[in-house]
Amino acid sequence: AQSVAQPEDQVNVAEGNPLTVKCTYSVSGNPYLFWYVQYPNRGLQFLLKYITGDNLVKGSYGFEAEFNKSQTSFHLKKPSALVSDSALYFCAVSPTTDSWGKLQFGAGTQVVVTP
Amino acid sequence: KAGVTQTPRYLIKTRGQQVTLSCSPISGHRSVSWYQQTPGQGLQFLFEYFSETQRNKGNFPGRFSGRQFSNSRSEMNVSTLELGDSALYLCASSSVGQKIYEQYFGPGTRLTVT
Repeated sequence: AQSVAQPEDQVNVAEGNPLTVKCTYSVSGNPYLFWYVQYPNRGLQFLLKYITGDNLVKGSYGFEAEFNKSQTSFHLKKPSALVSDSALYFCAVSPTTDSWGKLQFGAGTQVVVTP
Repeated sequence: KAGVTQTPRYLIKTRGQQVTLSCSPISGHRSVSWYQQTPGQGLQFLFEYFSETQRNKGNFPGRFSGRQFSNSRSEMNVSTLELGDSALYLCASSSVGQKIYEQYFGPGTRLTVT
């Protein structure tokens, strides 16, 4: 069975400091991993994905994520957080290669960036 | 390009009623997926349609159904509503080719069952 875990319910960071949101996964075969962000009363916005290739993936709004196969992790990072980054972040996995429309999401991590 | 649109945005229904939600994908996108988001269960996959065919289905009762039309627009239907069906229902579309796996979400339909 495939699963995604986000061990932190909330991450607090001061503006300008580095931001890391953790995600670990468990899948059979090669994982397809994603990060999405949700602002209040909005749908989810795609940030970045890892399908294959370079372990460091760059995405939207200055975010990046590092795929680590040995640690089965896909942590989201941003070098310098902004107050506007405060939102709910979801890690997701696509279970199989022919299920691109079926995402399994983690529970989400609330990011709070303080001025 | 216009984004994914969902109608209605808000809906209040009574237990036992049925409801139909609509989703218009981004132009050119042929895959449409539906998710239910609740505070307790988080985001859960309902079903996915591609070229009018249901390709995947989540673990929801048969009261939840959907369909996709030839123009890729999709509807989902929930019959015999229960209080626990109160949720934000999100629709997402994706294309094929290089952008495959990138799902673009609509703003959702907030369903309240009383």
